[in-house]
Amino acid sequence: KAGVTQTPRYLIKTRGQQVTLSCSPISGHRSVSWYQQTPGQGLQFLFEYFSETQRNKGNFPGRFSGRQFSNSRSEMNVSTLELGDSALYLCASSSGTGSFKNIQYFGAGTRLSVL
Amino acid sequence: DAKTTQPPSMDCAEGRAANLPCNHSTISGNEYVYWYRQIHSQGPQYIIHGLKNNETNEMASLIITEDRKSSTLILPHATLRDTAVYYCIVTDYSTSYGKLTFGQGTILTVHP
Repeated sequence: KAGVTQTPRYLIKTRGQQVTLSCSPISGHRSVSWYQQTPGQGLQFLFEYFSETQRNKGNFPGRFSGRQFSNSRSEMNVSTLELGDSALYLCASSSGTGSFKNIQYFGAGTRLSVL
Repeated sequence: DAKTTQPPSMDCAEGRAANLPCNHSTISGNEYVYWYRQIHSQGPQYIIHGLKNNETNEMASLIITEDRKSSTLILPHATLRDTAVYYCIVTDYSTSYGKLTFGQGTILTVHP
């Protein structure tokens, strides 16, 4: 069974640009969560989608947005990039149902550098 | 989610058991204890979880105290590949909806 796939793995952008990151969850998983990891703040939750609906959102500005498609694939977008947005962005999928609904499986991440 | 407290770092000799403690004194009745680890530059990896009973799987054992205020993750025979940051997370899915709150974790270093 294929794991969580994130593309691209590395990205370099300049301040003011926007970026879109993609996440393909494990087949059959309906929940996708996004996290930002930086050396200073650690792993922080961005948002979670389940069946195309955002169910939970972390404490990030509106420049960070996401969506989920009918096949459960998800994208996150960051507009008007700032230097502080440089981070490893991680996506995780889970079944969202049943007794193991909250076990999250993480992708390898997208490393974003903002210059 | 209940707050967790973990030691910042621990060492372990290869082949010995690694016992990683976690305090979660404010845990509520519906909250589960989850353990994840993150090997350098990789995404976190699920290890084990439990509510109140001790749990064991192919990777580790989880011991939860009777009052549920603390737990211990046990790696029975640590190897060099177990060197990682270990995160203890306490959460109730019915309110957290896909959100895992990661603390600073414990950096476990396994020595030859």
